Amino acid sequence: QLQLQESGPGLVKPSETLSLTCTVSGGSISSSSYYWGWIRQPPGKGLEWIGSIYYSGSTYYNPSLKSRVTISVDTSKNQFSLKLSSVTAADTAVYYCARLSITMVRGVICWFDPWGQGTLVTVSS
Amino acid sequence: QSVLTQPPSVSEAPRQRVTISCSGSSSNIGNNAVNWYQQLPGKAPKLLIYYDDLLPSGVSDRFSGSKSGTSASLAISGLQSEDEADYYCAAWDDSLNGSYVFGTGTKVTVL
Repeated sequence: QLQLQESGPGLVKPSETLSLTCTVSGGSISSSSYYWGWIRQPPGKGLEWIGSIYYSGSTYYNPSLKSRVTISVDTSKNQFSLKLSSVTAADTAVYYCARLSITMVRGVICWFDPWGQGTLVTVSS
Repeated sequence: QSVLTQPPSVSEAPRQRVTISCSGSSSNIGNNAVNWYQQLPGKAPKLLIYYDDLLPSGVSDRFSGSKSGTSASLAISGLQSEDEADYYCAAWDDSLNGSYVFGTGTKVTVL
Protein backbone atom coordinates (compact mmCIF):
# COMPACT_ATOMS: atom_id res chain seq x y z
CA GLN A 1 0.00 0.00 0.00
CA LEU A 2 1.55 3.24 -1.17
CA GLN A 3 2.08 5.89 1.50
CA LEU A 4 3.42 9.43 1.34
CA GLN A 5 4.78 11.46 4.24
CA GLU A 6 5.66 15.14 4.25
CA SER A 7 8.49 16.46 6.40
CA GLY A 8 10.18 19.78 7.01
CA PRO A 9 10.18 22.88 9.23
CA GLY A 10 6.83 23.99 10.56
CA LEU A 11 7.92 27.62 10.86
CA VAL A 12 9.62 29.73 8.21
CA LYS A 13 10.56 33.41 8.42
CA PRO A 14 9.24 35.90 5.85
CA SER A 15 11.49 36.30 2.76
CA GLU A 16 13.16 32.96 3.42
CA THR A 17 12.78 29.69 1.52
CA LEU A 18 10.27 27.01 2.51
CA SER A 19 11.65 23.49 2.04
CA LEU A 20 9.65 20.28 2.32
CA THR A 21 10.33 16.66 1.44
CA CYS A 22 7.89 13.90 0.61
CA THR A 23 8.98 10.34 1.29
CA VAL A 24 7.26 7.62 -0.69
CA SER A 25 6.96 4.13 0.79
CA GLY A 26 5.30 0.95 -0.44
CA GLY A 27 6.14 1.69 -4.06
CA SER A 28 8.76 3.18 -6.34
CA ILE A 29 8.87 6.85 -7.23
CA SER A 30 10.46 5.76 -10.50
CA SER A 31 7.29 4.15 -11.79
CA SER A 32 6.65 5.22 -15.37
CA SER A 33 2.92 5.55 -14.76
CA TYR A 34 2.93 8.44 -12.34
CA TYR A 35 3.89 11.99 -11.60
CA TRP A 36 4.23 13.32 -8.06
CA GLY A 37 2.85 16.58 -6.80
CA TRP A 38 2.47 19.23 -4.15
CA ILE A 39 -0.82 20.85 -3.16
CA ARG A 40 -1.42 23.41 -0.42
CA GLN A 41 -4.38 24.67 1.58
CA PRO A 42 -4.30 27.93 3.55
CA PRO A 43 -6.17 27.74 6.85
CA GLY A 44 -9.91 27.77 6.22
CA LYS A 45 -9.48 28.03 2.45
CA GLY A 46 -9.49 25.80 -0.61
CA LEU A 47 -6.91 23.64 -2.34
CA GLU A 48 -4.21 25.00 -4.64
CA TRP A 49 -1.97 22.89 -6.88
CA ILE A 50 1.67 23.94 -6.63
CA GLY A 51 3.35 21.68 -9.14
CA SER A 52 4.23 18.16 -10.19
CA ILE A 53 7.31 16.20 -11.19
CA TYR A 54 8.12 12.99 -13.08
CA TYR A 55 10.91 10.70 -11.90
CA SER A 56 13.00 11.87 -14.84
CA GLY A 57 12.83 15.42 -13.50
CA SER A 58 10.24 16.80 -15.88
CA THR A 59 8.09 19.38 -14.11
CA TYR A 60 4.84 21.32 -14.35
CA TYR A 61 4.30 24.37 -12.13
CA ASN A 62 1.33 26.51 -11.21
CA PRO A 63 1.81 29.66 -13.33
CA SER A 64 1.00 31.88 -10.35
CA LEU A 65 3.82 30.34 -8.28
CA LYS A 66 6.26 29.36 -11.00
CA SER A 67 8.76 32.14 -10.34
CA ARG A 68 9.23 31.00 -6.74
CA VAL A 69 8.84 27.21 -6.94
CA THR A 70 11.33 24.43 -7.50
CA ILE A 71 10.35 20.77 -7.29
CA SER A 72 13.04 18.11 -7.47
CA VAL A 73 13.23 14.33 -7.19
CA ASP A 74 15.74 11.96 -5.59
CA THR A 75 15.03 8.49 -6.91
CA SER A 76 17.76 6.92 -4.74
CA LYS A 77 15.88 8.00 -1.63
CA ASN A 78 12.38 7.59 -3.10
CA GLN A 79 11.71 11.23 -2.27
CA PHE A 80 10.69 14.42 -3.97
CA SER A 81 11.02 17.92 -2.59
CA LEU A 82 9.51 21.39 -2.72
CA LYS A 83 11.27 24.70 -2.40
CA LEU A 84 9.26 27.92 -2.29
CA SER A 85 11.33 31.10 -2.12
CA SER A 86 10.60 34.57 -0.79
CA VAL A 87 7.72 33.41 1.36
CA THR A 88 5.19 35.72 2.97
CA ALA A 89 2.33 35.18 5.40
CA ALA A 90 0.15 34.31 2.40
CA ASP A 91 2.19 31.11 2.00
CA THR A 92 1.06 29.85 5.40
CA ALA A 93 -0.80 26.63 4.65
CA VAL A 94 -1.03 22.90 5.07
CA TYR A 95 1.17 21.40 2.38
CA TYR A 96 0.25 18.01 0.95
CA CYS A 97 2.19 15.70 -1.32
CA ALA A 98 0.37 13.19 -3.51
CA ARG A 99 0.81 10.79 -6.41
CA LEU A 100 -0.57 11.98 -9.74
CA SER A 101 -1.91 9.45 -12.19
CA ILE A 102 -1.96 10.91 -15.68
CA THR A 103 -2.88 9.74 -19.15
CA MET A 104 -4.22 11.26 -22.33
CA VAL A 105 -7.27 9.94 -24.17
CA ARG A 106 -9.10 12.72 -26.00
CA GLY A 107 -7.90 15.13 -23.33
CA VAL A 108 -5.91 14.98 -20.12
CA ILE A 109 -7.06 12.44 -17.55
CA CYS A 110 -5.27 12.90 -14.24
CA TRP A 111 -5.99 12.60 -10.56
CA PHE A 112 -4.22 12.73 -7.19
CA ASP A 113 -4.31 9.56 -5.12
CA PRO A 114 -3.12 8.80 -2.51
CA TRP A 115 -2.30 11.89 -0.48
CA GLY A 116 0.03 12.40 2.45
CA GLN A 117 -1.43 13.54 5.75
CA GLY A 118 -0.19 17.09 5.23
CA THR A 119 2.10 19.36 7.19
CA LEU A 120 1.34 22.86 8.43
CA VAL A 121 3.90 25.49 7.52
CA THR A 122 3.55 28.87 9.17
CA VAL A 123 5.36 31.92 7.82
CA SER A 124 6.10 34.27 10.67
CA SER A 125 8.98 36.16 12.18
CA GLN B 1 -8.68 32.51 -7.69
CA SER B 2 -10.13 29.18 -8.83
CA VAL B 3 -11.40 28.73 -12.39
CA LEU B 4 -13.86 26.03 -11.31
CA THR B 5 -16.92 27.35 -9.51
CA GLN B 6 -18.89 25.41 -6.91
CA PRO B 7 -21.68 26.46 -4.51
CA PRO B 8 -20.21 27.32 -1.10
CA SER B 9 -22.56 25.03 0.75
CA VAL B 10 -25.41 22.56 0.43
CA SER B 11 -27.45 20.91 3.14
CA GLU B 12 -29.99 18.14 3.28
CA ALA B 13 -31.55 15.71 5.72
CA PRO B 14 -30.25 12.18 6.25
CA ARG B 15 -31.21 9.60 3.60
CA GLN B 16 -31.88 12.34 1.05
CA ARG B 17 -29.94 13.16 -2.11
CA VAL B 18 -27.72 16.16 -2.75
CA THR B 19 -26.05 17.37 -5.89
CA ILE B 20 -22.99 19.61 -6.11
CA SER B 21 -22.28 21.49 -9.31
CA CYS B 22 -18.90 22.45 -10.74
CA SER B 23 -18.77 25.01 -13.53
CA GLY B 24 -15.70 25.45 -15.70
CA SER B 25 -14.75 26.21 -19.29
CA SER B 26 -13.60 24.62 -22.52
CA SER B 27 -9.97 24.68 -21.39
CA ASN B 28 -10.64 22.49 -18.36
CA ILE B 29 -13.88 20.54 -17.87
CA GLY B 30 -14.87 20.89 -21.50
CA ASN B 31 -11.72 19.15 -22.72
CA ASN B 32 -10.36 17.12 -19.81
CA ALA B 33 -11.50 14.67 -17.15
CA VAL B 34 -13.07 15.81 -13.90
CA ASN B 35 -12.23 14.47 -10.47
CA TRP B 36 -13.89 14.92 -7.11
CA TYR B 37 -12.24 14.89 -3.70
CA GLN B 38 -13.77 14.56 -0.25
CA GLN B 39 -12.09 16.29 2.68
CA LEU B 40 -13.35 15.27 6.10
CA PRO B 41 -12.73 17.78 8.93
CA GLY B 42 -9.06 17.92 9.83
CA LYS B 43 -8.09 15.30 7.26
CA ALA B 44 -6.29 15.17 3.95
CA PRO B 45 -8.40 15.13 0.79
CA LYS B 46 -9.42 11.72 -0.54
CA LEU B 47 -10.15 10.83 -4.15
CA LEU B 48 -13.88 10.24 -4.56
CA ILE B 49 -14.49 10.23 -8.32
CA TYR B 50 -11.99 10.17 -11.21
CA TYR B 51 -12.30 10.36 -15.01
CA ASP B 52 -15.69 12.07 -14.70
CA ASP B 53 -17.69 9.19 -13.24
CA LEU B 54 -15.43 6.37 -12.04
CA LEU B 55 -15.30 5.28 -8.40
CA PRO B 56 -11.98 4.22 -6.86
CA SER B 57 -11.96 0.92 -5.07
CA GLY B 58 -13.54 1.21 -1.64
CA VAL B 59 -15.65 4.29 -2.36
CA SER B 60 -19.35 3.85 -1.66
CA ASP B 61 -21.63 3.66 -4.70
CA ARG B 62 -23.83 6.27 -3.02
CA PHE B 63 -21.44 8.71 -4.73
CA SER B 64 -21.74 9.33 -8.44
CA GLY B 65 -20.28 11.79 -10.92
CA SER B 66 -21.40 13.16 -14.25
CA LYS B 67 -20.26 15.71 -16.82
CA SER B 68 -21.94 17.66 -19.58
CA GLY B 69 -20.12 20.23 -21.65
CA THR B 70 -18.22 22.57 -19.36
CA SER B 71 -20.00 21.53 -16.16
CA ALA B 72 -19.82 18.54 -13.85
CA SER B 73 -21.83 17.28 -10.92
CA LEU B 74 -21.35 15.11 -7.88
CA ALA B 75 -24.38 13.38 -6.38
CA ILE B 76 -24.60 11.82 -2.96
CA SER B 77 -27.59 9.57 -2.40
CA GLY B 78 -28.78 8.18 0.91
CA LEU B 79 -27.03 11.01 2.74
CA GLN B 80 -25.33 9.97 5.99
CA SER B 81 -23.81 11.96 8.83
CA GLU B 82 -20.33 10.76 7.86
CA ASP B 83 -20.74 12.46 4.47
CA GLU B 84 -20.49 15.84 6.18
CA ALA B 85 -17.32 17.22 4.62
CA ASP B 86 -15.88 19.59 2.05
CA TYR B 87 -16.00 18.47 -1.57
CA TYR B 88 -13.76 19.75 -4.36
CA CYS B 89 -13.94 19.22 -8.10
CA ALA B 90 -10.72 19.38 -10.10
CA ALA B 91 -9.43 19.06 -13.65
CA TRP B 92 -6.44 19.75 -15.83
CA ASP B 93 -6.54 23.16 -17.49
CA ASP B 94 -4.93 23.54 -20.91
CA SER B 95 -4.30 27.27 -20.64
CA LEU B 96 -0.98 28.81 -19.56
CA ASN B 97 1.10 25.72 -20.46
CA GLY B 98 -1.15 23.50 -18.39
CA SER B 99 -2.06 23.37 -14.74
CA TYR B 100 -4.22 21.35 -12.38
CA VAL B 101 -7.08 23.41 -11.03
CA PHE B 102 -9.38 22.82 -8.08
CA GLY B 103 -12.91 24.06 -7.58
CA THR B 104 -13.82 26.56 -4.90
CA GLY B 105 -15.14 23.80 -2.66
CA THR B 106 -18.55 22.94 -1.25
CA LYS B 107 -19.38 22.27 2.38
CA VAL B 108 -22.00 19.53 2.74
CA THR B 109 -24.03 19.66 5.93
CA VAL B 110 -26.29 16.83 7.02
CA LEU B 111 -29.23 18.35 8.86
